[in-house]
Amino acid sequence: DTGVSQDPRHKITKRGQNVTFRCDPISEHNRLYWYRQTLGQGPEFLTYFQNEAQLEKSRLLSDRFSAERPKGSFSTLEIQRTEQGDSAMYLCASSLEMGPKGETQYFGPGTRLLVL
Amino acid sequence: AQTVTQSQPEMSVQEAETVTLSCTYDTSESDYYLFWYKQPPSRQMILVIRQEAYKQQNATENRFSVNFQKAAKSFSLKISDSQLGDAAMYFCAYKASGSRLTFGEGTQLTVNP
Repeated sequence: DTGVSQDPRHKITKRGQNVTFRCDPISEHNRLYWYRQTLGQGPEFLTYFQNEAQLEKSRLLSDRFSAERPKGSFSTLEIQRTEQGDSAMYLCASSLEMGPKGETQYFGPGTRLLVL
Repeated sequence: AQTVTQSQPEMSVQEAETVTLSCTYDTSESDYYLFWYKQPPSRQMILVIRQEAYKQQNATENRFSVNFQKAAKSFSLKISDSQLGDAAMYFCAYKASGSRLTFGEGTQLTVNP
């Protein structure tokens, strides 16, 4: 059973550049979540998808952030015109809506972003 | 809004001893889930244990068990026979049905040999 994977694992970029992260969920999971985690803090919710529909976005997700999940499979998170405050770990999680383990989110290894 | 509070930023335990990590939460929902996740340094967030609010029985997973007090909105994690590999940041998390996870601030657990 393959877990949640994320690519890249690390990204260093200069302020003002655009970056894109990818998340591949566990294959049968219909929900996919994005979180952001800064050092020493718990993850904060950004957005989530059920299949290909984006159902909720946090107010943390400014206009510079966009997420997609085409065909309900993998998802991408893009940050445009990066700022130093965007430096964080970006975590992806997936879950199955129903069943005995429903509502349990399984996390990927994260993408650590550093904006110089 | 739901909130999760972990009042112990750091805890330590001797190897083979027992430690309890505290968590309280605030919600007006009746249908929800509670989780403990473990995050070792520079490593992946791993599910430790989960509890459905409608279940009165406390969840257990091997050396890990919870004390779920619904009326008090308390959800503590007990780790028995602590091992060096248990050292990590532990996060308590709340989830209403069909919604996002809300995490606490975390408790850094050190296991002393």
